[in-house]
Amino acid sequence: AQSVSQHNHHVILSEAASLELGCNYSYGGTVNLFWYVQYPGQHLQLLLKYFSGDPLVKGIKGFEAEFIKSKFSFNLRKPSVQWSDTAEYFCAVNALGGKLIFGQGTELSVKP
Amino acid sequence: AAGVIQSPRHLIKEKRETATLKCYPIPRHDTVYWYQQGPGQDPQFLISFYEKMQSDKGSIPDRFSAQQFSDYHSELNMSSLELGDSALYFCASSPRLQGPEGGYTFGSGTRLTVV
Repeated sequence: AQSVSQHNHHVILSEAASLELGCNYSYGGTVNLFWYVQYPGQHLQLLLKYFSGDPLVKGIKGFEAEFIKSKFSFNLRKPSVQWSDTAEYFCAVNALGGKLIFGQGTELSVKP
Repeated sequence: AAGVIQSPRHLIKEKRETATLKCYPIPRHDTVYWYQQGPGQDPQFLISFYEKMQSDKGSIPDRFSAQQFSDYHSELNMSSLELGDSALYFCASSPRLQGPEGGYTFGSGTRLTVV
């Protein structure tokens, strides 16, 4: 069965620090990978996605992620975080029929 | 651009009551996916519909049922509500079971509180 694992439950950073959130997936076939952000009390918003091609994908708000097939990983990065990046971040993989399998989420707190 | 519309935005029900949540997909999207996100939890897939037929089923309790209508909107019916059903319920739509490849967009969700 497909599964997604996020390494960090809660990350606390100061503004301007660099961010890397880990995500590993388990799936034997071709995968499409996603990172979503959820601001407090709001719905999920797509940050970026990987379907094929260049394994380094750039998303909105300065986020990027790198797909490393050999490691089954899709880590999210941002060189310099802002207070407004405080949110919960979910890694996801899509399964047959289009449903998404989510990781447990990483809560990011950025201190001003 | 039109987005996925969910109603109501907030709903408060008592235990053992019933609730109906609605999801209106993006125009020309014929596939709807329902998810449940409990407090502090990751979203869990409940059920999906394609062309008015159930296409997939996840961790949906037997007390819940859902359907998709001829205009492609979907309704999630929840009966005998329990405190543990308190969660954010959101839906997504796409064309033809394409899921995220087809322009998957999430609605804002319905926050259900069972008291």
